[in-house]
Amino acid sequence: AQSVTQLGSHVSVSEGALVLLRCNYSSSVPPYLFWYVQYPNQGLQLLLKYTTGATLVKGINGFEAEFKKSETSFHLTKPSAHMSDAAEYFCAVSLQGAQKLVFGQGTRLTINP
Amino acid sequence: EAGVTQFPSHSVIEKGQTVTLRCDPISGHDNLYWYRRVMGKEIKFLLHFVKESKQDESGMPNNRFLAERTGGTYSTLKVQPAELEDSGVYFCASGPQGFHNSPLHFGNGTRLTVT
Repeated sequence: AQSVTQLGSHVSVSEGALVLLRCNYSSSVPPYLFWYVQYPNQGLQLLLKYTTGATLVKGINGFEAEFKKSETSFHLTKPSAHMSDAAEYFCAVSLQGAQKLVFGQGTRLTINP
Repeated sequence: EAGVTQFPSHSVIEKGQTVTLRCDPISGHDNLYWYRRVMGKEIKFLLHFVKESKQDESGMPNNRFLAERTGGTYSTLKVQPAELEDSGVYFCASGPQGFHNSPLHFGNGTRLTVT
């Protein structure tokens, strides 16, 4: 069975600082990997995904993530945080051909001015 | 285009009552999914429709939950009778095809509180 662990339920960074949100997964076969973001009072929105190919994936709003098979990780980064990045972020996996996502517990990102 | 619409946005009911949640997907989206987040825990899959057919309902917690998608358009999720542990946020999502190929569009969710 697949599982996702997001290290840190709350992360706080200063505006302009590096954002690093950690995600590790457990899967018997290479999964597809996703990051979603939920802004207050909104639904989840896809930030980026990895299926195959290049392991460094770029997403919207300046975010990127790197798939590291040896570390079973898919950490999300952004070089310089903006106040508008304050939201809850979810890492998720799915198996190829499976039409369901397995989510981590979410990380709430706070940006300090 | 209009997004995925869910209503009500909030529902407060007493234990033992019945509640029906509704999801209107984006027009033309054959795939419709229900997910639930209970008490700040992880979001969990409930079920997946393709048009009016249930493709996967392995995440439905028990037989108190009934999902329907008559005519392959909107979907309802009924909880009868509701229990305290059913409290949480219920999300609906839709997509024109499998989400590996195209992004899922999520609704804002229905926050259900069972007292």
